[in-house]
Amino acid sequence: GQQVMQIPQYQHVQEGEDFTTYCNSSTTLSNIQWYKQRPGGHPVFLIQLVKSGEVKKQKRLTFQFGEAKKNSSLHITATQTTDVGTYFCAGSEYSGGGADGLTFGKGTHLIIQP
Amino acid sequence: GAVVSQHPSWVICKSGTSVKIECRSLDFQATTMFWYRQFPKQSLMLMATSNEGSKATYEQGVEKDKFLINHASLTLSTLTVTSAHPEDSSFYICSAPGTAYEQYFGPGTRLTVT
Repeated sequence: GQQVMQIPQYQHVQEGEDFTTYCNSSTTLSNIQWYKQRPGGHPVFLIQLVKSGEVKKQKRLTFQFGEAKKNSSLHITATQTTDVGTYFCAGSEYSGGGADGLTFGKGTHLIIQP
Repeated sequence: GAVVSQHPSWVICKSGTSVKIECRSLDFQATTMFWYRQFPKQSLMLMATSNEGSKATYEQGVEKDKFLINHASLTLSTLTVTSAHPEDSSFYICSAPGTAYEQYFGPGTRLTVT
């Protein structure tokens, strides 16, 4: 079945440093989504990438979808303490016109030292 | 924005009993909802897809007779953990898809089986 790998598992950064998490799927994806989960909370949708090579930005966050639609990355510039949490990528293979359950990566736990 | 609620937020039950968890879409209708399971500091694992008016579809390895899913209306799906055992203790999260197939997660239900 589909597998989604995500690295690193943990990332410690000093406040103000950049952060990147990488996601790789064993199969071609129809779309990839990114979620953030704060400690004790539930995943919150950040963004969805659909097109090959797509790049989207949200303030200090930059999301990329690979040309082969099998990998993706999330980059945060100049991290702040509010960025603390676990970032998950989640992929969907099927684009049959309906919503599909997602296959989640293991997540990257971002820890920021002030 | 789309809001999904879950009830209860936490529950403790004795081994051998059954527990029902409700998932509601508060401000939108959802013909499909998803049930995930998350162990501490781990990723979300898709358990099943709940379909309004029809049977749920379960992921490989998930026992349909143990995890009963009922999608009785366009805003309510329920997950019943039958004959719960300590190994069923986990964080159960539901989600409902938005118009672009992004998923809106409920706050989760923490189940502890003693």
